[in-house]
Parts: sequence; structure tokens; C-alpha cells
Amino acid sequence: DAKTTQPPSMDCAEGRAANLPCNHSTISGNEYVYWYRQIHSQGPQYIIHGLKNNETNEMASLIITEDRKSSTLILPHATLRDTAVYYCIVRVAGGGADGLTFGKGTHLIIQP
Amino acid sequence: KAGVTQTPRYLIKTRGQQVTLSCSPISGHRSVSWYQQTPGQGLQFLFEYFSETQRNKGNFPGRFSGRQFSNSRSEMNVSTLELGDSALYLCASSFTLAGGAGSTSTDTQYFGPGTRLTVL
Repeated sequence: DAKTTQPPSMDCAEGRAANLPCNHSTISGNEYVYWYRQIHSQGPQYIIHGLKNNETNEMASLIITEDRKSSTLILPHATLRDTAVYYCIVRVAGGGADGLTFGKGTHLIIQP
Repeated sequence: KAGVTQTPRYLIKTRGQQVTLSCSPISGHRSVSWYQQTPGQGLQFLFEYFSETQRNKGNFPGRFSGRQFSNSRSEMNVSTLELGDSALYLCASSFTLAGGAGSTSTDTQYFGPGTRLTVL
């Protein structure tokens, strides 16, 4: 069973911030939140992950609520190349042998 | 560092044949996982290898098998191909500790470009 809930699709204007929400209300204390994206027919691309603190890297920012039941991925200045399916995944720390459980993700469409 | 590479990128087979796909992980990564992606089922976990041992597998028939070599490269094999095996097959590698669940490793997986298999 999927542990995360995401909206099926979202639109965002080019140059604006894209905010992608994810609910993970049953997350455990030792589970990380991961974000990947997949551009059509390519392999999923790792974006960012976090445990409970907000995280930022060159691609995006990850905001996790204090109760850890939801998070938001922020693409600060969306471009047309950010059009993709974005997956939010929870995964136990040290779960290297476990496969990632992908849901249906959010299809983000960046409008020119 | 070079990323995860997969060969071949495209493959066409007929029903009943078998196929072998190859994956070279990122240098230093010892874990390799395989996934199948179809329009109907989405991305599904096939199996994971670490130090030449299969540690975990998903819910797929025995026609799907794999192995890992001492240099961490991995292959997956599908025997007696069926039309429904047409899919994008993805490989992912991670620098994982052997400690398993509960260890401090986050084991981020990095994916290759995939092999598009078409079964006619």
C-alpha cells in the first residue's frame, strides 16, 4: 500500500515557484521523505530527501511539517524542463535492501 | 562520477525468448536494485543485490531472475517472455551499508536511463 498521497496533477507558470504537496500521515520516526522526478521515459532522478529538518540543495527545497505528516517540495523558479512526474516516497533509514514504493506521483506541467 | 549505465537501451524480442539486461552501478556503490515500469502497474520493485547476494525481491514470477558480480555490476534475466513483459526496466544503485534497517545509512538510490523492452 502506498504510504504517501499526492495530487495527480498540477500546473505552474514558468519562472514561478512550484510547490508540490505530499501527505504521509503514517510516517514512522525512522522514515525519511524522498523526492524523485521522472521526465517522460527516462529513469527517475533523485531530487532531495529529509528526515525532519527542512533541506535545500541546488535543485529544490524540502519543507517537512513539525509533526512530519506532510511535506512540500519547492522548485523555486520553475522552467519548462521541470515538467515531469514527481514522486514522494517514504523510506526507512538503512533500508537498503528494500525497494522504493512508487505511487502515481504528481504530474507537474510548467506553462510558458 | 559517471552515473548508472544500462545496456542495451532498447530491445525487441518475441514471445518465448529470453533476455538479459545489464546494469553498471555508480563507482563505489555496492547495492543494485531492479524495477519494472509499465503504464498499467507503474514502477514496481523486482529485486535487490548487495555483495553478490539477493537480499530482497518483489512479487514477480520466477521467470525474472538476476545476479550480481564481484565488481557490483548486475544482470537481470527474463525467460519465456510474455507480451506483458514489455516495459521499461530500470536499475538503481546505492552506497549502502550492510547494516540493514535501523542503520543510519539513507541509501539514496540513483537510477539509470532504463532499458525499453518490447515483446512481440
